[in-house]
Parts: sequence; structure tokens; C-alpha cells
Amino acid sequence: SQQGEEDPQALSIQEGENATMNCSYKTSINNLQWYRQNSGRGLVHLILIRSNEREKHSGRLRVTLDTSKKSSSLLITASRAADTASYFCANKKSSGDKLTFGTGTRLAVRP
Amino acid sequence: GAVVSQHPSWVICKSGTSVKIECRSLDFQATTMFWYRQFPKQSLMLMATSNEGSKATYEQGVEKDKFLINHASLTLSTLTVTSAHPEDSSFYICSAPYGRSGPQGDTQYFGPGTRLTVL
Repeated sequence: SQQGEEDPQALSIQEGENATMNCSYKTSINNLQWYRQNSGRGLVHLILIRSNEREKHSGRLRVTLDTSKKSSSLLITASRAADTASYFCANKKSSGDKLTFGTGTRLAVRP
Repeated sequence: GAVVSQHPSWVICKSGTSVKIECRSLDFQATTMFWYRQFPKQSLMLMATSNEGSKATYEQGVEKDKFLINHASLTLSTLTVTSAHPEDSSFYICSAPYGRSGPQGDTQYFGPGTRLTVL
């Protein structure tokens, strides 16, 4: 299976703390994306990082990509209770390829 | 931003009946749409790629005669679960790629999902 692994499976933090989620994948990729899913809802695209990029920022989100280790991380700074959700990484081997999702991290931010 | 809708948002049906789920791209055209299935607390598993004007491409292990996909227009794809059984109960999500490169856009916009419960 091409499915990536995410770590940790679940994470519980206090509001204001930072949350870090890691994602590993198995083959060479064109790009890697992070999505957020609130319980029982669809997914929302957060950020995309291409294979020739190492780091990207969007508001309180910071994504890194290490192609030599086939891994990526998502950092959410100054977390809020509203950040409580499941976070999935997904990668594409080529631009026209399908998305392959990781196993997901369930984040709970306590007020 | 791009919006994808799904209908219905939830459905309960009896075993043996068929259920149709619609996926629409509301403000853009989608020659390709994707159908996923998600079990509780698990990741999304791609079931099939829906192609406008041609046959869908199914992932390995997905029965094409059971999960009928029709992509009749540039804004609508439908998934019909035929002869549904309790094990088909799941959360079904569609998505459509959108971006500067058009149908091959890297970003996917997801519908809100349809929760199917088969009694």
C-alpha cells in the first residue's frame, strides 16, 4: 500500500501550546498536502508543499518536507480549541496522480 | 473559493435497496472527481476516479458493479451503491481537483460527505 503513516495517532494539548504532527511516505513524490477534517465533515485543504521545497508557512501553520527521509511535519503554533480536528497528510507521486492519504492524527485542544 | 456539495448528507436505507449519492462542483467545472470511503476514526480510501464522458476507474478491490459511478456533466458525478448491505455503511466523500492546471490541479476540494447507514 502507498498509504503513509502519521504520528502520533492522537494528540491532546492545552490551548496556547504548539502541536506537531509527523507524516512519512513510501515513494518519491511530486507534492505533499495537509488537510483538516472536523468530526463527521469533509476535508479542508490547509497547505501544499512541493518536492523542491523544504518549508512553507501559512498563518499559524508551518510545514516542513524532508525528501531524503520521506517525511513531513505540520506544526500548529499557539493552538486554539477550534483547532480540534483530525489532520491528514496526502501525497501525489506526480501532478496528475491521485492523492494518497496518511493514517491521520486526531488533535484535541483543551480550553 | 471552490465549493463541492454532496447530497444527501445522510441516508438510512434497508438492506437490498440502492442508494444514489450526488457530488456537484458549484463554481467550477470538474472533468475528474474522486470518490472516497471512510470508516470511523480511519483514513480516506480512494474507491474510484470519475471521468466526465467516460468510464470510471476503480481502485483494486472495489466492485464496479456494486458501486456504480456516472459522471454525466462537468459539474455532477453520482455514486450509486447497489443492493446495499450493512457492511456498506460508511462515510462517503467526493472531491474534485482545482487549481491553475485545471483538471490536473493539485489541490482537491472535498464535499461535506454522506453518511450511509444500511439496516
